[in-house]
Amino acid sequence: QKEVEQNSGPLSVPEGAIASLNCTYSDRVSQSFFWYRQYSGKSPELIMSIYSNGDKEDGRFTAQLNKASQYVSLLIRDSQPSDSATYLCAGMSYNNNDMRFGAGTRLTVKP
Amino acid sequence: GAGVSQTPSNKVTEKGKYVELRCDPISGHTALYWYRQSLGQGPEFLIYFQGTGAADDSGLPNDRFFAVRPEGSVSTLKIQRTERGDSAVYLCASSPSTRGGEQFFGPGTRLTVL
Repeated sequence: QKEVEQNSGPLSVPEGAIASLNCTYSDRVSQSFFWYRQYSGKSPELIMSIYSNGDKEDGRFTAQLNKASQYVSLLIRDSQPSDSATYLCAGMSYNNNDMRFGAGTRLTVKP
Repeated sequence: GAGVSQTPSNKVTEKGKYVELRCDPISGHTALYWYRQSLGQGPEFLIYFQGTGAADDSGLPNDRFFAVRPEGSVSTLKIQRTERGDSAVYLCASSPSTRGGEQFFGPGTRLTVL
């Protein structure tokens, strides 16, 4: 199993809908998780971090962490065309020295 | 304040040449990371500095790759005898935390080895 796995998509949602992005992780990843947004040709931009079980909300974004299921998700409410990007899920390595990234999920929000 | 900066933004070199990529982290950030990203993949860890020392270089693919951070701020990633397989975007990130915290990425250097 890869350390961090994401559905590569692409995921397409209509404007105003909820986009749901999912990620699973292995035992080699510790309990700190991050979601990054990456526009084409640009570098990753941090959106959310989550360290504890449960939900964390920031504006239109909600991150969810379920440690028992080793599952992390990102919900984007009221999706906008400007949300169209690749979303990278990352978890700290077991020794907390670096981040392990999934391959990313490409999201397209259609007007 | 200023974010992480990287130079050059693009570097084209020939197979066998030596290249240096520079990263200037966010002021005050003690942790600095180098990653490499290939098309369609997530960033892949190369090396982590805490202050001046390389705390973890386990991600460096081979001994052609080397990185330094002599004064605990700017870092340089050095690649000797470049190969076509080294072509990728090299990303630098910094963090204010000693371990396990949020990392902020620079714009990257796109390296192309012909």
